Amino acid sequence: AQSVSQHNHHVILSEAASLELGCNYSYGGTVNLFWYVQYPGQHLQLLLKYFSGDPLVKGIKGFEAEFIKSKFSFNLRKPSVQWSDTAEYFCAVIFYGNNRLAFGKGNQVVVIP
Amino acid sequence: GAVVSQHPSRVICKSGTSVKIECRSLDFQATTMFWYRQFPKQSLMLMATSNEGSKATYEQGVEKDKFLINHASLTLSTLTVTSAHPEDSSFYICSARDPGQGVGTEAFFGQGTRLTVV
Repeated sequence: AQSVSQHNHHVILSEAASLELGCNYSYGGTVNLFWYVQYPGQHLQLLLKYFSGDPLVKGIKGFEAEFIKSKFSFNLRKPSVQWSDTAEYFCAVIFYGNNRLAFGKGNQVVVIP
Repeated sequence: GAVVSQHPSRVICKSGTSVKIECRSLDFQATTMFWYRQFPKQSLMLMATSNEGSKATYEQGVEKDKFLINHASLTLSTLTVTSAHPEDSSFYICSARDPGQGVGTEAFFGQGTRLTVV
């Protein structure tokens, strides 16, 4: 079955620490991959996306993600987080074939000043 | 990016009544629309995928007779919550994309509808 997995739902870090959030999906076909962020009380905001080409994509706010096809993964990274990065982060996948856009369960990230 | 408008943003209804939520793509043709439900502090749960002119495909566990989805035009999809109960209270979000543009088209999200059933 097609699914999107995010682990370590709650992540707590100090400012300037590095962040890496894992995202894995189960599907053997073509996918489009996304990371969204939801700040407290706000709506979803697209951080970055992968459609094709260079598997290392750079997004807004200093985030980047790498698509590793052999591992069915699309991990999100930021070298040095700030307090303002406190938010919920969601990985999302469009599964070609049946055109579903599904989300992972999300990672609640808290950055301590 | 493209704009998706969702209406209403908030609605309160009495238990047993039906509520209709509209999702419009304002500047592109949305051949595919998605409906999600989000509980507090949780992820977006895909409820159904609808393609213009055909029946929606519901996710497992989602009652299609309770959550009626209509996607009659390329710019409008509606979700009707029938005979609403307090447990249907939630945040409903629609998303739209045009996969006809080929591989590599993202989905755009509406601002969501906060439904409260009293």
